[in-house]
Amino acid sequence: GAVVSQHPSRVICKSGTSVKIECRSLDFQATTMFWYRQFPKQSLMLMATSNEGSKATYEQGVEKDKFLINHASLTLSTLTVTSAHPEDSSFYICSARLAGGPLTDTQYFGPGTRLTVL
Amino acid sequence: GDSVTQMEGPVTLSEEAFLTINCTYTATGYPSLFWYVQYPGEGLQLLLKATKADDKGSNKGFEATYRKETTSFHLEKGSVQVSDSAVYFCALSEYTGGSNYKLTFGKGTLLTVNP
Repeated sequence: GAVVSQHPSRVICKSGTSVKIECRSLDFQATTMFWYRQFPKQSLMLMATSNEGSKATYEQGVEKDKFLINHASLTLSTLTVTSAHPEDSSFYICSARLAGGPLTDTQYFGPGTRLTVL
Repeated sequence: GDSVTQMEGPVTLSEEAFLTINCTYTATGYPSLFWYVQYPGEGLQLLLKATKADDKGSNKGFEATYRKETTSFHLEKGSVQVSDSAVYFCALSEYTGGSNYKLTFGKGTLLTVNP
């Protein structure tokens, strides 16, 4: 149980284009989804927290107009990298937290999306 | 804010060797503590967790005990296998208000196990 998927797993795009990454909780409903960015051989950096039906909360230094997050349902969140540039190339990972039941702080992670901007 | 410090890698061991990866934390509250594992090219998988002092999390032969007095959550395994080769992340959860928590990660420790 508690499986999170991401699509696509890998994307290559030209500079200036926009890319959308989907994050889905497959067998549970997620009150909250998180988006992380991971640079090579480094830890995860939290970009934003999104709660279903409300605006995402962005971490300091993350441009909300560049990284658009939509959490339209309890099983789907999307991250859109707008006007992507080579410096946006990275590994993007989402996670989800279970909805309902006792409040839990455990997050379940997706497999990640490798974005390469040429 | 809260923080997590892990021993720096890389760690290279022979198969069946004993593994310890140190993790210490600073926190203002009483966080839950986690170990996540990341295999090459993949996302993170929850390995184990502990929610209060003296709790021991265990999974797949790995163990870690929540030590409040030393603010530590060291990961151990008695006999590692080649398939354990991965990056291991220690993390704590920080309550941010309402129903929200935020994970703070250590920098990760690369473990390579040779046959």
